[in-house]
Amino acid sequence: DQQVKQNSPSLSVQEGRISILNCDYTNSMFDYFLWYKKYPAEGPTFLISISSIKDKNEDGRFTVFLNKSAKHLSLHIVPSQPGDSAVYFCAASADNTDKLIFGTGTRLQVFP
Amino acid sequence: NAGVTQTPKFRILKIGQSMTLQCTQDMNHNYMYWYRQDPGMGLKLIYYSVGAGITDKGEVPNGYNVSRSTTEDFPLRLELAAPSQTSVYFCAGSRTDSNQPQHFGDGTRLSIL
Repeated sequence: DQQVKQNSPSLSVQEGRISILNCDYTNSMFDYFLWYKKYPAEGPTFLISISSIKDKNEDGRFTVFLNKSAKHLSLHIVPSQPGDSAVYFCAASADNTDKLIFGTGTRLQVFP
Repeated sequence: NAGVTQTPKFRILKIGQSMTLQCTQDMNHNYMYWYRQDPGMGLKLIYYSVGAGITDKGEVPNGYNVSRSTTEDFPLRLELAAPSQTSVYFCAGSRTDSNQPQHFGDGTRLSIL
């Protein structure tokens, strides 16, 4: 039972263009969502988060959108840079707990 | 500024052997976590701790044990290693305040043959 789903295993985007990574969830109790970025042989690094009371959160080139009615969130990276090439994980938690449920990840490749 | 440090980085075990994966943090994180990541999968929570002396099971605790005698250290113990425990293990920590992001170590890659 995959409560957090990232249906695209990979995404390839040209440098300078927008990257859009998607995430769907099934548990309506989730109230906090995060995106992590992971390079090979390193641990995940926190990127950006959003609370369920918001529908958008922006930090520089990164914006996360939350659509609660569709149980869907997305991460927009604009403009994309080669250094953004990594695996991106969506994660969610419920009821103010700190137990995260992770998606399976999307591998982003940004090419020149 | 070490953050969350995991040792060893790599280890090969034989079936039935035991070992302890070490995790220490210097970020004053009250909360600490152990995850495992299997190929092509997301991270799954094994055990977590909300403070020294307090631990609880996560999603996949079978075959593992933890202890939290100090705020800084959160070791994960495998008593009887099995091939199904071949994975990459990540330790993480976070502050007590709710909705604080977890900070991860660089992982321990464990193979059981």
